[in-house]
Amino acid sequence: DQQVKQNSPSLSVQEGRISILNCDYTNSMFDYFLWYKKYPAEGPTFLISISSIKDKNEDGRFTVFLNKSAKHLSLHIVPSQPGDSAVYFCAASAWTGNQFYFGTGTSLTVIP
Amino acid sequence: DTGVSQDPRHKITKRGQNVTFRCDPISEHNRLYWYRQTLGQGPEFLTYFQNEAQLEKSRLLSDRFSAERPKGSFSTLEIQRTEQGDSAMYLCASSLEMTGSVGYTFGSGTRLTVV
Repeated sequence: DQQVKQNSPSLSVQEGRISILNCDYTNSMFDYFLWYKKYPAEGPTFLISISSIKDKNEDGRFTVFLNKSAKHLSLHIVPSQPGDSAVYFCAASAWTGNQFYFGTGTSLTVIP
Repeated sequence: DTGVSQDPRHKITKRGQNVTFRCDPISEHNRLYWYRQTLGQGPEFLTYFQNEAQLEKSRLLSDRFSAERPKGSFSTLEIQRTEQGDSAMYLCASSLEMTGSVGYTFGSGTRLTVV
């Protein structure tokens, strides 16, 4: 059972424009939501997170939005840069949990 | 500290052979995790340790898999009698206590190919 879903396997965006990556989840017990970025031949690296008590968290060019009623979160990157080209994973965890559940990833390509 | 280190980076083995991977976490991190990632999928939880105690194991961790963290520092993951379905990237991660909003620090992984 896939508790975290990323329905778009890939996304292409022009440099300077906004990238929007989406993620849906099914478990209402999830309290923390994270985005990881992964380059080929490297492990995932933490990008940004949001807890269930917030609906928005911002860090520089990256903003994560959480819609708890829709069980949906999104990552906005603006402006997009070629170095942002990578696979982005959404992950979720319950506060009492010991693991993160990951989506299948979205491969972002930022075209110069 | 150089982050989470995994060794080897790549391993090719014949079906039926045993393999062992090593993970060295960030030194002050008391939690260590193993995940597996197959092509087109996100990382899937296998097991985690708090210090030397293995506190949770996934159903994915069949009896051919065993993990240890003998002194609460490095960890090993052994797969016995490997099968082609074991081909995957094995990721190790570490963290301080509950990860909450800061997530794990992952290593670069060990890519296993079973031929």
